[in-house]
Amino acid sequence: DAGITQSPRHKVTETGTPVTLRCHQTENHRYMYWYRQDPGHGLRLIHYSYGVKDTDKGEVSDGYSVSRSKTEDFLLTLESATSSQTSVYFCAISTPLAGGFNEQFFGPGTRLTVL
Amino acid sequence: DQQVKQNSPSLSVQEGRISILNCDYTNSMFDYFLWYKKYPAEGPTFLISISSIKDKNEDGRFTVFLNKSAKHLSLHIVPSQPGDSAVYFCAAKFNQGGSEKLVFGKGTKLTVNP
Repeated sequence: DAGITQSPRHKVTETGTPVTLRCHQTENHRYMYWYRQDPGHGLRLIHYSYGVKDTDKGEVSDGYSVSRSKTEDFLLTLESATSSQTSVYFCAISTPLAGGFNEQFFGPGTRLTVL
Repeated sequence: DQQVKQNSPSLSVQEGRISILNCDYTNSMFDYFLWYKKYPAEGPTFLISISSIKDKNEDGRFTVFLNKSAKHLSLHIVPSQPGDSAVYFCAAKFNQGGSEKLVFGKGTKLTVNP
């Protein structure tokens, strides 16, 4: 257990509504990531953060925004949810190791359904 | 364009036999390769990794082989156990703008039959 939780674990919402997913970590990792997992696509990076208030886009960032106001929390927001955003969302954390590599640890996931 | 490819969506093996999962990549800038295992309704868990300067890394029943000239890596599980049944994701790490990122394959579902 890498001290990472996601909330909510399940959510059903309607098209056009805003949705915020929360990732919380307790081990002071510098990097936090949001991925989505879809059948036939594996895991795809949405956004990531390399420090408080430092974020950047991943490969599938359209329709999503993120915020990180403190080390332990990384929020993913769907401003206006669409059915194509129905997916399982995973948060991950890591701390880069100089001259080496530290793996990413994943949270348990949030299953989001947009009707 | 898919940079990390797992061409076999599924694999079925008998308990006690070897499982071989394959992965191909296209980007020569990847410096680490990883395998993650995922059970249903859980997050992926890290299994094993290999640096691009190595050709083999072993951890218990799990061995990863890297062939840089062929841009190919494989995960060997010996002996396979029913508890190994899961989806296995191959991932590759690269650095961009000082940040580390992973690119994942689509996954291979392994079923180990008792």
